[in-house]
Amino acid sequence: GEDVEQSLFLSVREGDSSVINCTYTDSSSTYLYWYKQEPGAGLQLLTYIFSNMDMKQDQRLTVLLNKKDKHLSLRIADTQTGDSAIYFCAEFGAGSYQLTFGKGTKLSVIP
Amino acid sequence: DAGVIQSPRHEVTEMGQEVTLRCKPISGHNSLFWYRQTMMRGLELLIYFNNNVPIDDSGMPEDRFSAKMPNASFSTLKIQPSEPRDSAVYFCASSLNPGANTEAFFGQGTRLTVV
Repeated sequence: GEDVEQSLFLSVREGDSSVINCTYTDSSSTYLYWYKQEPGAGLQLLTYIFSNMDMKQDQRLTVLLNKKDKHLSLRIADTQTGDSAIYFCAEFGAGSYQLTFGKGTKLSVIP
Repeated sequence: DAGVIQSPRHEVTEMGQEVTLRCKPISGHNSLFWYRQTMMRGLELLIYFNNNVPIDDSGMPEDRFSAKMPNASFSTLKIQPSEPRDSAVYFCASSLNPGANTEAFFGQGTRLTVV
């Protein structure tokens, strides 16, 4: 079956880079996503990468995809206190209609 | 558009009572999802509607759970009777179509506490 795994917690100092890692099992995944959930709010799409890409950069965000190892990472440069949230990795398998989410990584930014 | 709207934001109820959660998807979206979020299990898909028709309800935990979508602008998730283990945050999400390259927009969620 499909499974998406992430570490549950990450703590970084303000101004440092954060790297959140994710592994998935479905080799047919077409799109992989990062969602952000702020306290008391729903999930919001942060960025996504198509499976034929290795890297995607969007301002302070860099997504790296290693399809061979089924490993996805999200790097946040110059992490700010406003980046404190839970980050969910999600995959969309070929022929599927639903996202499979990891359990989320809680990022805490220390001032 | 105001986004996906869920109500109530918080619900506290006694065990055995009926609970109804409501969702208004984004206008024009034809896919609607109900998720449950708990610390132990993360985000679980409960049911998926496309064009108001339930396509996959395999995630609905038990017969106590039911969901309806009487029209394109409204859906409900009902739990009857409720139990303490149903306590969770329930999210509704909608997307333009069920394809992989369309964004799912989430509501703010309903935090349900069953005592």
